[in-house]
Order: sequence, then C-alpha cells, then structure tokens
Amino acid sequence: ETGVTQTPRHLVMGMTNKKSLKCEQHLGHNAMYWYKQSAKKPLELMFVYSLEERVENNSVPSRFSPECPNSSHLFLHLHTLQPEDSALYLCASSQLGPDSGTGELFFGEGSRLTVL
Amino acid sequence: DQQVKQNSPSLSVQEGRISILNCDYTNSMFDYFLWYKKYPAEGPTFLISISSIKDKNEDGRFTVFLNKSAKHLSLHIVPSQPGDSAVYFCAASCPTPGTYKYIFGTGTRLKVLA
Repeated sequence: ETGVTQTPRHLVMGMTNKKSLKCEQHLGHNAMYWYKQSAKKPLELMFVYSLEERVENNSVPSRFSPECPNSSHLFLHLHTLQPEDSALYLCASSQLGPDSGTGELFFGEGSRLTVL
Repeated sequence: DQQVKQNSPSLSVQEGRISILNCDYTNSMFDYFLWYKKYPAEGPTFLISISSIKDKNEDGRFTVFLNKSAKHLSLHIVPSQPGDSAVYFCAASCPTPGTYKYIFGTGTRLKVLA
C-alpha cells in the first residue's frame, strides 16, 4: 500500500450534488491535512486534524465539511459547491510530537474535482 | 499577501547543467523550509529541507541554501537530469502549537532538456 491514498482520483459534480473525498494513510502518522491547489495559486491549507481533533480551519466555506473518524482516515464532504471550487484537493499526513523531527508532509496523489 | 513567493513560474535548463530555483519569504518567524517536487497526476513529494539555524543542506545532487538576512532560499540541482523535470514548491513553517503550518509558494516548473 502506498503511504497516502486518495479516492476518487477524478470527480465531476453538479452544484446541487453531495459527494465525498476520501483519504487513507498507511504511515502511522497522527496528523492529517486537506490542501486545495488551484491553477497558478499556492497550495492552500484547508483543515488540519491532529490526533483526530480539528486544530485548524482556515476560513473554509461551510460547503466543505471535513471528518476524521480515526487517525488513518480523513474525509471531505462536499455539498452545493460552486464552479470556482474546481481544483485539485490534496490530502497529506505527518507525524507530530517531540520525537517526530519537523513533521514533513506526505501527500496523496490528489482528487481532481470539477464542479459544473 | 503571499508570504512565500516563487517569482519564476518556469525554468528550462540543459541536461548536465545546474538548475537554480529561487524562493523568497516575508515572515521572519519562519524557522523551517522545505522543497517539494510534483510530477503531473501525482501528489507533491518531499525533496529536501533546511532549518533556520543552518545556511546550507546537501543531499546528493540537491543542495538548499538559506540566506536569512535576505529572506531567500534556493535549491540547486547539479547535474540536472531529464527526470528532474517537474514542478518544485517551496514551503515554510513557523512554530505553531500542536501542529506544523506550512505555507507554500506557487511553484516553479523545471524543464530539463536532453
């Protein structure tokens, strides 16, 4: 199993649909992240979960709803999205704590979302 | 306002030559810097990092230089290989209780010509 896996890799949805992105990490890490990558923009941090608790929510619209049921799984629930939400959504994990070094991020391959 | 800037969106280099990718930052509180490499249809992969207490870190063909007074870092790839063609992201982090908050640049697309 690769370190961080994301499904689906591609998703096309209408503005009224409800869908979810899934992320699973097999690295034994204790923190998970959602990033958004839009064309010609920096990677934008959306949410951070540390030990299954949300520790960061970067002013993300409520139409994006994260869920972290355990330290290995992270979901991003999507509803009533807008066309400008079309982007690559990247999941990442890291190990946080005194013996973890500096917690480099390990990314999944991303879910390419298109909102029509 | 972007705290981490990669002002060159693209760079082309001949195989065997040196590739130099630049990154500037504005926040003097940043204490750790990383470079990530991204191929199309893949997620970014960690390449090399440097702590603010150092000014150079080397790993094989990759060397990162940090100039704190100029708030500038650079990634040198010597010799460049066609397989190095990818988008390179610079990232910086500052101490944040409970987690690491990484701020990314917009990336530089490197093309190594055979």
